[in-house]
Amino acid sequence: DIQMTQSPSSLSASVGDRVTITCRASQSISTYLNWYQQKPGKAPKPLIYAASSLQSGVPSRFSGSGSGTEFTLTISSLQPEDFATYYCQQSYNTPRTFGPGTKVDI
Amino acid sequence: QLQLQESGPGLVKPSETLSLTCTVSGGSVSSNDHYWGWIRQPPGKGLEWIGFMYYSGSTYYNWSLKRRVTISVDTSKNHFSLDLSSVTAADTAFYYCTRHVFLPMEARHVDSWGQGILVTVSS
Repeated sequence: DIQMTQSPSSLSASVGDRVTITCRASQSISTYLNWYQQKPGKAPKPLIYAASSLQSGVPSRFSGSGSGTEFTLTISSLQPEDFATYYCQQSYNTPRTFGPGTKVDI
Repeated sequence: QLQLQESGPGLVKPSETLSLTCTVSGGSVSSNDHYWGWIRQPPGKGLEWIGFMYYSGSTYYNWSLKRRVTISVDTSKNHFSLDLSSVTAADTAFYYCTRHVFLPMEARHVDSWGQGILVTVSS
C-alpha cells in the first residue's frame, strides 16, 4: 500500500494568513493526488484533484501543487469558513489511501 | 445535482453482518465515468477507503477487509450496497457512500459524498 503522510498534523492560524500543508507519498504517484476538506460533523468535501485542479465551486484562494512524492495545499488568505481538517489522498492505485489529516484552527 | 443517501441500521451486533444501501438521485449508477464505493471514518479518526465497484461488475476492495466486504450495484433501483461480515467493535465508524471519478484517468478522485451514517457495533 502507498503510505501518505501530512505535515503539520495541526496548525493555528489567523484570518488572512497564508497557510501551506504538505503531503508526502511513500512512492511516486505522479499527480494522482487529491485534497479534501472536512468540517466537524460533516462529510469531506473535494477541493483539489490531480494535484492542482480546483474542484468546481471551490474558491480560488485554494491551490495545489506538486508531483511524484511531495505535494502542497495552499490557502492564500485564510477565511473563517476554512477552519477545518484537510486530508490528502492518492488515486494512483488501490487501495486508495489517505493522509492522517491536518487540523487548521484559530 | 447528484445526491447520495446512506441507509441501514445504526447498531449491529458483534459477529453479524453490517449492511448499508446508498440511494443515488440526480445521477445513474450505470455511468461509464464513475465508480461507486464506500469510505469509513471511526469517530475522531481518519478516513479509510473500503472499496468501489464499476456498474459492469468490476470490484476493488481494501485488502485489509477483502475477505469480509462485498459491494454490489443494483442498476434497476439505482442504488448500491455494502455488506461487511463478522463485524467487531473496530468496525464502528461513520460510513460514507461515495462516487469516484473513473474517467478521465488523470482526474480520479471522490467527487461526491453522502452525508454519512454512524454504525455502532455493540451487543
